[in-house]
Amino acid sequence: KQEVTQIPAALSVPEGENLVLNCSFTDSAIYNLQWFRQDPGKGLTSLLLIQSSQREQTSGRLNASLDKSSGRSTLYIAASQPGDSATYLCAVRMDSSYKLIFGSGTRLLVRP
Amino acid sequence: GAVVSQHPSRVICKSGTSVKIECRSLDFQATTMFWYRQFPKKSLMLMATSNEGSKATYEQGVEKDKFLINHASLTLSTLTVTSAHPEDSSFYICSAGGPGYTEAFFGQGTRLTVV
Repeated sequence: KQEVTQIPAALSVPEGENLVLNCSFTDSAIYNLQWFRQDPGKGLTSLLLIQSSQREQTSGRLNASLDKSSGRSTLYIAASQPGDSATYLCAVRMDSSYKLIFGSGTRLLVRP
Repeated sequence: GAVVSQHPSRVICKSGTSVKIECRSLDFQATTMFWYRQFPKKSLMLMATSNEGSKATYEQGVEKDKFLINHASLTLSTLTVTSAHPEDSSFYICSAGGPGYTEAFFGQGTRLTVV
C-alpha cells in the first residue's frame, strides 16, 4: 500500500529565504507526482506535476524534483515571500485512474 | 486547466438531516470524479470514486449508506451526507478527470458543519 510522507510538518522562515519541502513515498511505481498549495479553508491549487519519466519541473520561483528510485520528491521555493504562506501537499498517482494519494502536508509560514 | 465548481462552499445543518454537495465540471466531460474528506490540519483522504453511469467505488471504512454518491451525467456528481452527525463535520473536496487531460482538477471544497 502506497504511503506518502511529508517532512517537515511545519516550517517558519523569514522572507527572502530559499527553502525545500520534502515528500517521500514507499512504492516507487508511480504514474506521476503532483504538488499542490492549499490556503486555509480553501481548495487545492496545482503547482507542478512531474511525470514518472521526468526528473524535474519548474514554474517561476518553484522547482520540483523527482527521484523515483529513492521514492523522493522535493519542492524548492526560491526567495520566499509572505504570500507563499500556505499548506503544501504532495500527491502521487499510481495509474491512469486520476486517483491521488496525498501526504499530510507541510504548513509554511513566511515571516515579513 | 479545466474548471471544476463545487457548491455550496459552506453549509451548516442540524443533526439528523441530510445535505447534498454538488461537483460540476464546467468545460469538460468528467468521466471520473473523486470525493475526498479532510480533517483539520490533516491530509485529504479519498472517500470514493465515481464513474459516470455506474455505482461509486468506496474506500475501505467509508459507509456507502451514509455518503451517497451519484454521477448521473458527465458534468455532475453529488455527495449526499445522510442523517448527518457532528462527527461528519469536515471539509469535503471533489476532483474530476476526463479524456485528454493528464491530471484531475479540484473543486473549491465544501465546509460542512453539523450542529
